[in-house]
Amino acid sequence: DGGITQSPKYLFRKEGQNVTLSCEQNLNHDAMYWYRQDPGQGLRLIYYSQIVNDFQKGDIAEGYSVSREKKESFPLTVTSAQKNPTAFYLCASSNRGPGGYTFGSGTRLTVV
Amino acid sequence: LAKTTQPISMDSYEGQEVNITCSHNNIATNDYITWYQQFPSQGPRFIIQGYKTKVTNEVASLFIPADRKSSTLSLPRVSLSDTAVYYCLVGDINNAGNMLTFGGGTRLMVKP
Repeated sequence: DGGITQSPKYLFRKEGQNVTLSCEQNLNHDAMYWYRQDPGQGLRLIYYSQIVNDFQKGDIAEGYSVSREKKESFPLTVTSAQKNPTAFYLCASSNRGPGGYTFGSGTRLTVV
Repeated sequence: LAKTTQPISMDSYEGQEVNITCSHNNIATNDYITWYQQFPSQGPRFIIQGYKTKVTNEVASLFIPADRKSSTLSLPRVSLSDTAVYYCLVGDINNAGNMLTFGGGTRLMVKP
């Protein structure tokens, strides 16, 4: 089945550590996105990529980094510069035209 | 980017029809309207998408008036499992960098 896979589902990070969240899609979608969701809130855009080797900052990119070396993969690194990283992280992909986004099941990151 | 405004929350009872309205006064000519459903700790799921007039699928209907400054998601005969947050997005579906912003959504509570 085609879809978008995020791993791990739960992640714990010590303060001062960098962590990388994985996002892989086999939908042959050109565009991929990372969103952050805090409890009871909507989704906020961190980064997005419309094509391999290119990406743009979203509304809350500070403290995060991404890469897009392959069409299928768009990993997100939460760096130690992100002061409040505890949140639910969602990856999505899309193509041009009808159909909207396909979302992954999310990664819940907790700083301990 | 067209900004959207939705009610923060709505209550309904099983078996009733629910209508959730989204205002998007600054919608552009190339913009489409897309609705998503999100359950707790899951990624949003695409429900329906439209440009004008009425769109219907097996899950919902989307009503868009001629001026396109608002849209209404209609859920027929809701059940307890329809309790979720519903997001309205507006943007150009042919431009991956254009449809990015999720608002706070509408929290629908369906009661027995």
